[in-house]
Amino acid sequence: AQSVTQLGSHVSVSEGALVLLRCNYSSSVPPYLFWYVQYPNQGLQLLLKYTSAATLVKGINGFEAEFKKSETSFHLTKPSAHMSDAAEYFCAVSDLGRDDKIIFGKGTRLHILP
Amino acid sequence: ETGVTQTPRHLVMGMTNKKSLKCEQHLGHNAMYWYKQSAKKPLELMFVYNFKEQTENNSVPSRFSPECPNSSHLFLHLHTLQPEDSALYLCASSQEQRAATYEQYFGPGTRLTVT
Repeated sequence: AQSVTQLGSHVSVSEGALVLLRCNYSSSVPPYLFWYVQYPNQGLQLLLKYTSAATLVKGINGFEAEFKKSETSFHLTKPSAHMSDAAEYFCAVSDLGRDDKIIFGKGTRLHILP
Repeated sequence: ETGVTQTPRHLVMGMTNKKSLKCEQHLGHNAMYWYKQSAKKPLELMFVYNFKEQTENNSVPSRFSPECPNSSHLFLHLHTLQPEDSALYLCASSQEQRAATYEQYFGPGTRLTVT
């Protein structure tokens, strides 16, 4: 069965610094991978997704993620953090065999320090 | 109204009460989902409806009863809940029930507290 592990339930970065949120997946077949963001008092919003095309995926708000099969990773990055990036970020996986369900990680809360 | 709306946004209920959560989507989607979001736990899929038919019940206790009268509305009826049911309940919709292909759009959630 597929699963995702997000390393670090809380990450703090200074404004303007690199954002790196880690996600490792487990899947028996080639996966679809997602990053979602949840701002305070809101539902989840899709940031980006990988569907076996380009391994470097660009999303909204300047975020991108790279699929690395050898490392079973799909880390999320942004070159320069902004205060508005403070939110909770969820990595998720769905396998091609049953793409009617998405399995979410526990989430990483990103704090931006002024 | 646009997107996915949920009412109420906050709900406090006793263990013997009966209440309902409402979700409405204005996107013309055919699939709707209920998720439970608890602190320090992954988002849990509860129910899925596709074209008004329930296609997924993820081993949810019978004290949670979903209803989908049409493709735009989804309800979650609650009765005799337990304190551990306190959580944020999120509704989502997508064009079809192929979550990996069609983006899910989430509502803001209902924060439920069971006393």
